[in-house]
Amino acid sequence: GAVVSQHPSWVICKSGTSVKIECRSLDFQATTMFWYRQFPKQSLMLMATSNEGSKATYEQGVEKDKFLINHASLTLSTLTVTSAHPEDSSFYICSARGHGWGYFGPGTRLTVT
Amino acid sequence: AQKVTQAQTEISVVEKEDVTLDCVYETRDTTYYLFWYKQPPSGELVFLIRRNSFDEQNEISGRYSWNFQKSTSSFNFTITASQVVDSAVYFCALSEKAGGYQKVTFGTGTKLQVIP
Repeated sequence: GAVVSQHPSWVICKSGTSVKIECRSLDFQATTMFWYRQFPKQSLMLMATSNEGSKATYEQGVEKDKFLINHASLTLSTLTVTSAHPEDSSFYICSARGHGWGYFGPGTRLTVT
Repeated sequence: AQKVTQAQTEISVVEKEDVTLDCVYETRDTTYYLFWYKQPPSGELVFLIRRNSFDEQNEISGRYSWNFQKSTSSFNFTITASQVVDSAVYFCALSEKAGGYQKVTFGTGTKLQVIP
């Protein structure tokens, strides 16, 4: 089946620094990628949707300047958390979709100290 | 707007018992898809099933079965003869086209604990 990878799987960073998370579709071309955030013991909340080569569409309440999304190729999307703060600590999951259904990545656990 | 409700926050059962996880959804679309995912402690989402709005045929797959009732907007999931490895958080999700994208809305999840 289709495989989606995320890198890193976990990261710890200091408050004020920026962190980049990669999402790759390994065996298909992902025309659309979705980024979700999951706080502990809560559900997954969609943050943004991006199509390859165009700007991401952010959900209401998600800061565009804080969560930078780049979908530069059909197999790679990146989420950069800029000037991270402890409240950004969360589990970030991407979903990549080609012509069929979307597949979820394994997630990235971000801890901001 | 689409909404998924999982009223059961946590369920504990003794191994080998059957357990049903409830899911109720709201949507204005006539074409939509429903999903169940399992999320073990590792965090990775495990896809269990997808059902489209035109297919109300219930399905059994091994120890898993699903009951889709369009009339009551419910998509319940049953595990028969539960095992400790079934312990996880289970999410029901709904997908409909929003702005041309297949936008997925997740329920709040049901944490299942199977006690040996």
